Amino acid sequence: AQTVTQSQPEMSVQEAETVTLSCTYDTSESDYYLFWYKQPPSRQMILVIRQEAYKQQNATENRFSVNFQKAAKSFSLKISDSQLGDAAMYFCASKGYGGSQGNLIFGKGTKLSVKP
Amino acid sequence: NAGVTQTPKFQVLKTGQSMTLQCAQDMNHEYMSWYRQDPGMGLRLIHYSVGAGITDQGEVPNGYNVSRSTTEDFPLRLLSAAPSQTSVYFCASSRPAGYSYEQYFGPGTRLTVT
Repeated sequence: AQTVTQSQPEMSVQEAETVTLSCTYDTSESDYYLFWYKQPPSRQMILVIRQEAYKQQNATENRFSVNFQKAAKSFSLKISDSQLGDAAMYFCASKGYGGSQGNLIFGKGTKLSVKP
Repeated sequence: NAGVTQTPKFQVLKTGQSMTLQCAQDMNHEYMSWYRQDPGMGLRLIHYSVGAGITDQGEVPNGYNVSRSTTEDFPLRLLSAAPSQTSVYFCASSRPAGYSYEQYFGPGTRLTVT
C-alpha cells in the first residue's frame, strides 16, 4: 500500500521569499507518479506540478520546483518569489500504475500563509 | 468544455435521509473517482470506476454506493446519511488508469448531516 506523509501542518513565508514544503512517501511500486496539488479557499483542487519516478530530472513549473530524492522517498516542493496568491493548502499525492493503484493517495496537507 | 461538474454545491441532510451527489465530465475520460475531504485528513478515496459498467471500492466505501452507466456520469449515493458523512466530496476524472495523466477535480460538494 502507498502512503504519503506531510510533516508540516502549517508553514508561513514572507512575500517574495522562498519556501519549501516537505513530503515523504512509501510505495512498493516500481513505476509511480508524484504530484503537488494546491487548494485555495475556493476549494478547487489545482495541479501545481507532477514528477514521474523514472525521470531523474526534477520537475519545474515557473516559480514551482521539486526536489525528488527517489532513494530517500522524498518529494519536496519549493516555491520561489512567493506571492499572496500562493496562500493555500498544498497536498502531496502519489499514484501508482494500473487498477486500484491508479488512484491518488494524498498526504494530510500543509497550510501555507504568505505575509505581505 | 465544462470539465468536471458537481451538483449540488451545498447540501444539508437529516440523519437517515438518502441523496445522490451528481458528477459529470465532458472530456471523455475513462477513469472517474470520488473522494471525501475531512479536516486534517487530506482526501480519501471512496469509490472509483475505470470505465462504464465497472466500479470498485476505495479506502472508505461504507455507506456509499456508485454506478457508472455512461462514460460521462458517475453519481455517488448516500444510502442512509449519518453525521460521520459530513464532509466535502470531490469527484475527479482522468484518462485511463495506469497513465501519468493528472486527475481533474470538480468544485466539490459540502455536505452537512445533522
